[in-house]
Amino acid sequence: EVQLVESGGGLVKPGGSLRLSCAASGFIFSNVWMSWVRQAPGKGLEWVGRIRSKIDGGTSDYAAPVKGRFTISRDDSKNTLFLQMNSLKTEDTAVYYCTTFFYGSGWSWGQGTLVTVSS
Amino acid sequence: EIVLTQSPGTLSLSPGERATLSCRASQSVSSNFLAWYQQKPGQAPRLLIYGASSRATGIPDRFSGSGSGADFTLTISRLEPEDFAVYFCQQYGSSPYSFGQGTKLEIK
Repeated sequence: EVQLVESGGGLVKPGGSLRLSCAASGFIFSNVWMSWVRQAPGKGLEWVGRIRSKIDGGTSDYAAPVKGRFTISRDDSKNTLFLQMNSLKTEDTAVYYCTTFFYGSGWSWGQGTLVTVSS
Repeated sequence: EIVLTQSPGTLSLSPGERATLSCRASQSVSSNFLAWYQQKPGQAPRLLIYGASSRATGIPDRFSGSGSGADFTLTISRLEPEDFAVYFCQQYGSSPYSFGQGTKLEIK
């Protein structure tokens, strides 16, 4: 069974940093592209970015609002995805989800971790 | 960037009725890589449909997806009480991936 478990959320001041983790199990992590999606309180879903598998280059793409501030990385030896968030703004307050896609079964999502940016 | 527009914003129907939700893209979605989700308060999105028309595992057959190119539809054939929720579409055919703003399905 595919499982994605996010952690690392919490309260941080504007301008601060936070690193989120997503522990994956139930599939061959190194083979898949991974994404982060966020949802601000009471708002819709917003794609944050993605990282390709190492065999596909291991590079990342980002949404415009986070480009240059957020970095997605992965540790295939630990089946873990990361989201390093720097220069945080109040508008980054959201639940952050890690997700991945399988051609035979579609998108799988974690339960999310809440990040609150407030002074 | 592909912009997805969902309509209507709110849909008021009764249990047993048929629901038709629309998702229109600002340009053609590559390979019809379009997904639909259901979300209830305090929960993660639940995948209903991927690839425009493939039902996800465990999803009842009253949910169906159709469409291609830039015009997609989610149909719920006979509404059950547990179907009242917010529904989002997502395109994942080209980066940046994008979501529609959501349709709230409420009990009339």
